Amino acid sequence: AQTVTQSQPEMSVQEAETVTLSCTYDTSENNYYLFWYKQPPSRQMILVIRQEAYKQQNATENRFSVNFQKAAKSFSLKISDSQLGDTAMYFCAFISYNNNDMRFGAGTRLTVKP
Amino acid sequence: DVKVTQSSRYLVKRTGEKVFLECVQDMDHENMFWYRQDPGLGLRLIYFSYDVKMKEKGDIPEGYSVSREKKERFSLILESASTNQTSMYLCASSLPSESSYEQYFGPGTRLTVT
Repeated sequence: AQTVTQSQPEMSVQEAETVTLSCTYDTSENNYYLFWYKQPPSRQMILVIRQEAYKQQNATENRFSVNFQKAAKSFSLKISDSQLGDTAMYFCAFISYNNNDMRFGAGTRLTVKP
Repeated sequence: DVKVTQSSRYLVKRTGEKVFLECVQDMDHENMFWYRQDPGLGLRLIYFSYDVKMKEKGDIPEGYSVSREKKERFSLILESASTNQTSMYLCASSLPSESSYEQYFGPGTRLTVT
């Protein structure tokens, strides 16, 4: 069974600085997707960034980028130039090509301080 | 934009009541999901459906049932609510796995069972 581990329950960062959220996963599959989702306080969960396992190049979306290490089964999220609006719960998620069952980590609560 | 709506943001029910949580999506997605979100546990899949009248158990189906009579609507039913079902419930939808794996989430229903 696939599992996703986020070892940092809470983190904080000063506005305009950079922060990295960690995620590791365990799978025997070779073809899969990884995601970072953001859940702002009292608001809907939205997709931040996704990575296909067969792509070696790390995904980037504006201030958000990932460090995908397939052999190490590691998928960290880097947020550059942190903004107050980045304050949220962040969930790392995994899904293999073979099924619809998305696996989520426990989440990291990020607070951006002014 | 994909829109996933849930019938209530907050709900308070008594032990033993039958509870219906409704979810509607407007993007003609085949797949729909019900998750439960608890602190420190992330999102856990209760049930999912890949077509009308089809359903599959997730990790924690005990005490829950689902109904999907129309493609756009997926209902979660707590036959006899118990206090350990107090939680945040999230609905999500997605295209078929061959097309995309991204899931789109509703705003959530915070259910309290007293």
